[in-house]
Amino acid sequence: DAKTTQPTSMDCAEGRAANLPCNHSTISGNEYVYWYRQIHSQGPQYIIHGLKNNETNEMASLIITEDRKSSTLILPHATLRDTAVYYCIASNTGNQFYFGTGTSLTVIP
Amino acid sequence: SAVISQKPSRDICQRGTSLTIQCQVDSQVTMMFWYRQQPGQSLTLIATANQGSEATYESGFVIDKFPISRPNLTFSTLTVSNMSPEDSSIYLCSVDSSGGLGGEQFFGPGTRLTVL
Repeated sequence: DAKTTQPTSMDCAEGRAANLPCNHSTISGNEYVYWYRQIHSQGPQYIIHGLKNNETNEMASLIITEDRKSSTLILPHATLRDTAVYYCIASNTGNQFYFGTGTSLTVIP
Repeated sequence: SAVISQKPSRDICQRGTSLTIQCQVDSQVTMMFWYRQQPGQSLTLIATANQGSEATYESGFVIDKFPISRPNLTFSTLTVSNMSPEDSSIYLCSVDSSGGLGGEQFFGPGTRLTVL
């Protein structure tokens, strides 16, 4: 599975959009991009995933570049409860996930 | 979605003993996974457990240390054997909702293990 790289940490003002980037330059054509978050050592929570097209759900939007070498997770209106570690994962089957170090997002009041 | 429970939620164990962690899912799933998260670290995949076959272990993990059972489509156990303080971690199970067709994975709440 493709290796992903993310910034170690980011801050975002409460109520503003949080844009979390992920680089997956070696992703292959059949690999999906998944986003999860982990709050306080709880089990990771699924956010969104996509293959080629941009995706949106009630939690977030996922923007995947046309060459699929990078993506951005957008939390449209960040709240304090969105403070967490966010993981971007590339996987071709949705099965074995190889987690990187993730981005620690802090939402500031 | 799948609802996953783990038992115990936490435990403190003595060096040299073993602990079996249970993972229960509220629906039948083909693939289950076990992860370890050491303090301050990301998650590391230990093994994939499919019902009716031997678990597949990732590099650095062996069956003698982490034996896994998968007796049916809703249950799995992971045993941490002959524990040492280095085994102190959060152990998480997860399930694939789509049978390997690109769906999301759901994670249990984790078992926090401390080895003295």
